[in-house]
Amino acid sequence: DTAVSQTPKYLVTQMGNDKSIKCEQNLGHDTMYWYKQDSKKFLKIMFSYNNKELIINETVPNRFSPKSPDKAHLNLHINSLELGDSAVYFCASTPGGYEQYFGPGTRLTVT
Amino acid sequence: QKEVEQNSGPLSVPEGAIASLNCTYSDRVSQSFFWYRQYSGKSPELIMSIYSNGDKEDGRFTAQLNKASQYVSLLIRDSQPSDSATYLCAVNIFNDYKLSFGAGTTVTVRA
Repeated sequence: DTAVSQTPKYLVTQMGNDKSIKCEQNLGHDTMYWYKQDSKKFLKIMFSYNNKELIINETVPNRFSPKSPDKAHLNLHINSLELGDSAVYFCASTPGGYEQYFGPGTRLTVT
Repeated sequence: QKEVEQNSGPLSVPEGAIASLNCTYSDRVSQSFFWYRQYSGKSPELIMSIYSNGDKEDGRFTAQLNKASQYVSLLIRDSQPSDSATYLCAVNIFNDYKLSFGAGTTVTVRA
């Protein structure tokens, strides 16, 4: 049983394209996150939703738009992709703001 | 000052030795502290959480917390080659739902 899953695992696309990443968790957690991990391995929070409500919105270009259709799903849509968006994007979830559990990651490469 | 700082590493230890990882944080009111292990190309995996001052042991891992000194550490006893990974310190900063991560310390265990 996969607790936190993401699709796709790899995404290669050209500059200027629009793409989406999907995340689903079957842990029954109320809170989900998107993180970006750059080439230096630094893990930085981007967004968080608690029961479909946006609760954390870090300084992220507005080309990035999260959506949570229900508390088990969190998607990330990225418009007008740039070279600097190349990174690994992790989804995570938590039952109550404490331990977070990460998905396998989506490696995005923008060419 | 960064919110969470870790000793930069890399840290190389012989098999069977103790690996000692350190982390300091900036927010005096932080209450929750975590250690994640990340193998190359994989997602962060929670290995320890600690909430009160003192030591917490789990198998070969011991987490130590000193809130007065704003310091948390992780000891890996009897290090094994399978412990070779990057270890991320994470702290709840300002917000119960937000984790701030250190840049990670890469540990290599020499056989």
